[in-house]
Amino acid sequence: SQTIHQWPATLVQPVGSPLSLECTVEGTSNPNLYWYRQAAGRGLQLLFYSVGIGQISSEVPQNLSASRPQDRQFILSSKKLLLSDSGFYLCAWNTGPLEQYFGPGTRLTVT
Amino acid sequence: DAKTTQPPSMDCAEGRAANLPCNHSTISGNEYVYWYRQIHSQGPQYIIHGLKNNETNEMASLIITEDRKSSTLILPHATLRDTAVYYCIVKDSGAGSYQLTFGKGTKLSVIP
Repeated sequence: SQTIHQWPATLVQPVGSPLSLECTVEGTSNPNLYWYRQAAGRGLQLLFYSVGIGQISSEVPQNLSASRPQDRQFILSSKKLLLSDSGFYLCAWNTGPLEQYFGPGTRLTVT
Repeated sequence: DAKTTQPPSMDCAEGRAANLPCNHSTISGNEYVYWYRQIHSQGPQYIIHGLKNNETNEMASLIITEDRKSSTLILPHATLRDTAVYYCIVKDSGAGSYQLTFGKGTKLSVIP
């Protein structure tokens, strides 16, 4: 069966510090991968998606970037965090245009 | 993707059926209806999807009206663990269609 991992589960970082969140998927090949963010009390916002290694599409201009160094690995990064980057970051995957499966999420607090 | 409208909140007694409505009056012929839920502090969980026919799985049933302008998600015997925000999403399955647009959903509270 397929599983999706995200780490860390929680993170507290100062403003201006770098960020690296990792997501890995097991049990499938060539998945589509997604990064979403959910700010407190708000809906999910798609940040990036990837249909293959090295292929990244950005949905919203951000202080963030994404990379996909391996088939089942998706990384979300920032060089300098802003207060507005705080939120619940979710990775998701699918193998077609239908249902997406979400990871447990990383709760980021920028102080 | 077509827009959806859901009530902001609903209550349901434990053990009873929870019926969550969704309006999607501008849905087009190639768009599916999806339901997800998000339990507090967790990632969204896929529940079910359908195009025209009613669908049932181990979690829920999805009833889509004949004109496809609305649908209802049915949790047949709600438990306290079903307390969550439920999202109705309309999306086509065409190539290059990757984004799920989550609205505000319906906050379902299952009451003992």
